[in-house]
Amino acid sequence: DTAVSQTPKYLVTQMGNDKSIKCEQNLGHDTMYWYKQDSKKFLKIMFSYNNKELIINETVPNRFSPKSPDKAHLNLHINSLELGDSAVYFCASSQVLDNSPLHFGNGTRLTVT
Amino acid sequence: QKEVEQDPGPLSVPEGAIVSLNCTYSNSAFQYFMWYRQYSRKGPELLMYTYSSGNKEDGRFTAQVDKSSKYISLFIRDSQPSDSATYLCATINAGNNRKLIWGLGTSLAVNP
Repeated sequence: DTAVSQTPKYLVTQMGNDKSIKCEQNLGHDTMYWYKQDSKKFLKIMFSYNNKELIINETVPNRFSPKSPDKAHLNLHINSLELGDSAVYFCASSQVLDNSPLHFGNGTRLTVT
Repeated sequence: QKEVEQDPGPLSVPEGAIVSLNCTYSNSAFQYFMWYRQYSRKGPELLMYTYSSGNKEDGRFTAQVDKSSKYISLFIRDSQPSDSATYLCATINAGNNRKLIWGLGTSLAVNP
């Protein structure tokens, strides 16, 4: 059973398109996150949600909009994709928003052409 | 100065070697320290999690925290080719929305 699953695994699309990435966790965690990992492997947090409430919203273009229909799901919608959006996007979850370890999905590799 | 500094490597060692991976951090408010391992095309997975200064051991892995020097280490004994991965250190700033602060990750290759 996959604890944190995200789809699709690969996403290749053209500039200007709108796309979504879905994430689900079956760990019963209260907090979910979206991270972006660039080509240099640096992990940067984008958003975190705690019980469907937005907690952390880093300096991310407003083309990125997270949506949490329930605490087990956190989806990421991206409008007007740009070349610089190409990266690996990781979903993660943790028990609570404090010192709990994160559990990551296996990432969505987004390539914008 | 980055909040967490980590040499990205790459680090290449022969099988059986003892590996030492290190990070330094700048803020004494950082309280919790973690090491994650990331295999190629996979998400990071938690390896070690420590709070206080001192050592924590788990099998071939030992995490060491020295809060006075703001220095954290991960030692791998009897390294195996299956240990080849990127190792990321991370810490939490207790006073800043509890955000994880990540190092850049060190790429390790253990050669048979």
